[in-house]
Amino acid sequence: DSGVTQTPKHLITATGQRVTLRCSPRSGDLSVYWYQQSLDQGLQFLIQYYNGEERAKGNILERFSAQQFPDLHSELNLSSLELGDSALYFCASSGNYRGSYGYTFGSGTRLTVV
Amino acid sequence: EDQVTQSPEALRLQEGESSSLNCSYTVSGLRGLFWYRQDPGKGPEFLFTLYSAGEEKEKERLKATLTKKESFLHITAPKPEDSATYLCSRRGQNFVFGPGTRLSVLP
Repeated sequence: DSGVTQTPKHLITATGQRVTLRCSPRSGDLSVYWYQQSLDQGLQFLIQYYNGEERAKGNILERFSAQQFPDLHSELNLSSLELGDSALYFCASSGNYRGSYGYTFGSGTRLTVV
Repeated sequence: EDQVTQSPEALRLQEGESSSLNCSYTVSGLRGLFWYRQDPGKGPEFLFTLYSAGEEKEKERLKATLTKKESFLHITAPKPEDSATYLCSRRGQNFVFGPGTRLSVLP
């Protein structure tokens, strides 16, 4: 157990729908990162939050949004889902906003859009 | 634009056959690099942080080294359980990962 908790582990939904993925960072970590990993593809950085505020954006689609709550858990909202959104979504956390000492990853949410 | 490349894309070794994986970056002013291991369907697992050129870190059969332009992950006498994808990432603020090297160690 890495200390980063992601729920749900699996999600199957239809095109056009909206889903919410949840992440609880490792205790004491203030920074949360979201990554997308499609089949046989590399990790694509989506967005970072630090202590409740957005700090960095990667290749995140406009249909996707995220937030970090006062208790530091984060949610990634995916809307108007398309088949191509099927992927593993990972959350990672770190102690500072630069991720200077590396990130701790959760076990991921596997999203299947049918 | 920051680029992190890894080679080879895939590597098959016999058990006990040592080899090296490469991670290269185009950005200047490198402030260090991370190595991770990822098993299929699981989140990446942190292995090493290398902060400056010349630094080396070791863990069991793995040894990571860093120069000004690239990093190597040396695998000595690998075992089947070392089979995984190995990822590198530049230490900094862009949070970009390389595409990974998929290592298969055959018994």
